[in-house]
Amino acid sequence: GAGVSQSPSNKVTEKGKDVELRCDPISGHTALYWYRQSLGQGLEFLIYFQGNSAPDKSGLPSDRFSAERTGGSVSTLTIQRTQQEDSAVYLCASSTWGQSYGYTFGSGTRLTVV
Amino acid sequence: KQEVTQIPAALSVPEGENLVLNCSFTDSAIYNLQWFRQDPGKGLTSLLLIQSSQREQTSGRLNASLDKSSGRSTLYIAASQPGDSATYLCAVRRNSGNTPLVFGKGTRLSVIA
Repeated sequence: GAGVSQSPSNKVTEKGKDVELRCDPISGHTALYWYRQSLGQGLEFLIYFQGNSAPDKSGLPSDRFSAERTGGSVSTLTIQRTQQEDSAVYLCASSTWGQSYGYTFGSGTRLTVV
Repeated sequence: KQEVTQIPAALSVPEGENLVLNCSFTDSAIYNLQWFRQDPGKGLTSLLLIQSSQREQTSGRLNASLDKSSGRSTLYIAASQPGDSATYLCAVRRNSGNTPLVFGKGTRLSVIA
């Protein structure tokens, strides 16, 4: 597509429920990244996928968080047994190879755990 | 570990002023540096990208410079307008291609009409 698409744009869930957030990157972009932005905080790296390589999961805050990328395109970030501290905006970005190419971000999913 | 610092954290200026936002990073082995804008409740919009071999990039009223050896970048905004009010984020990419961007916490800019 023309840009990075994320869905849903807003999600309110009850504490303890599981949620899935979706990211559809720009067609042809080999790399996909997930970041989290909590209120008043900077962007926190969560996970990234590069082609068919094993994902870099070094930023995932706990084993309740997982992500997958099917067919090298769409990615789903799953949060199990959500907690109130998971409330944040979850941002997805994609990029391609080359020093002149930067990240393109989606509009994010605002997750509220009540 | 790469750390990115942005100063000031917040800035308020009258319309028409020229202003400079500062970004510093601890590891000079970067691949590129990117400046973003974020409006409240929105995602990030890329403004300028500077490759590690470049010194500056310009787009309209925006000019970004890079001094890799000293670990610094500046974003210069000329003739500021109320529509420039947003949070500006600086991010660097490590010198190995597709690695995660490391972000500063941003500078929140308010341009007063």
